[in-house]
Amino acid sequence: TQLLEQSPQFLSIQEGENLTVYCNSSSVFSSLQWYRQEPGEGPVLLVTVVTGGEVKKLKRLTFQFGDARKDSSLHITAAQPGDTGLYLCAGSPARFGNEKLTFGTGTRLTIIP
Amino acid sequence: KAGVTQTPRYLIKTRGQQVTLSCSPISGHRSVSWYQQTPGQGLQFLFEYFSETQRNKGNFPGRFSGRQFSNSRSEMNVSTLELGDSALYLCASSTIFMTGGATEAFFGQGTRLTVV
Repeated sequence: TQLLEQSPQFLSIQEGENLTVYCNSSSVFSSLQWYRQEPGEGPVLLVTVVTGGEVKKLKRLTFQFGDARKDSSLHITAAQPGDTGLYLCAGSPARFGNEKLTFGTGTRLTIIP
Repeated sequence: KAGVTQTPRYLIKTRGQQVTLSCSPISGHRSVSWYQQTPGQGLQFLFEYFSETQRNKGNFPGRFSGRQFSNSRSEMNVSTLELGDSALYLCASSTIFMTGGATEAFFGQGTRLTVV
């Protein structure tokens, strides 16, 4: 069973600060996605990374896939209240087969105005 | 392009009853997966369907079942409801298998099931 552990589990910071959320596994993934979920809604896809070492930027959000494709990070610059939500990473396994998309444990982020 | 549609949004059922939830995927998407989300367990995979065939199943009891129709719409059923089945049930669709390879899941808003 492949597990994705996210840290921190909870994070509360002031508007304007920077933060980094981590997603770690002992398993290799062929790709990894990051989602944001707001209360009562389904997760919304933010980005997909597929190459080890890949860095993608989405406005103030920077996503990085580890060189070994076992971990990823999400960095937010100058956080805003609209960034509040549950951030989930999800990975597809490296080898092909009937294996499910694995979701991380989640990081609940609160940005205080 | 319409997103993933789940109905109903909210549902209250009594313990012992059964329930059916519906999911209409994004047009052209043939893979549909179901997840259960609870505060304690996070997002747990239930099962995945592709072209009307169940391709993968998570670790849930047989009371949880599903099916997919020829138009890719999917339903999941939970029989003999228990209090612990209270959760947000999410459906996600994808253009390819949600197993192996680079896969992106597009989620519906979910059905909030409360068992009393």
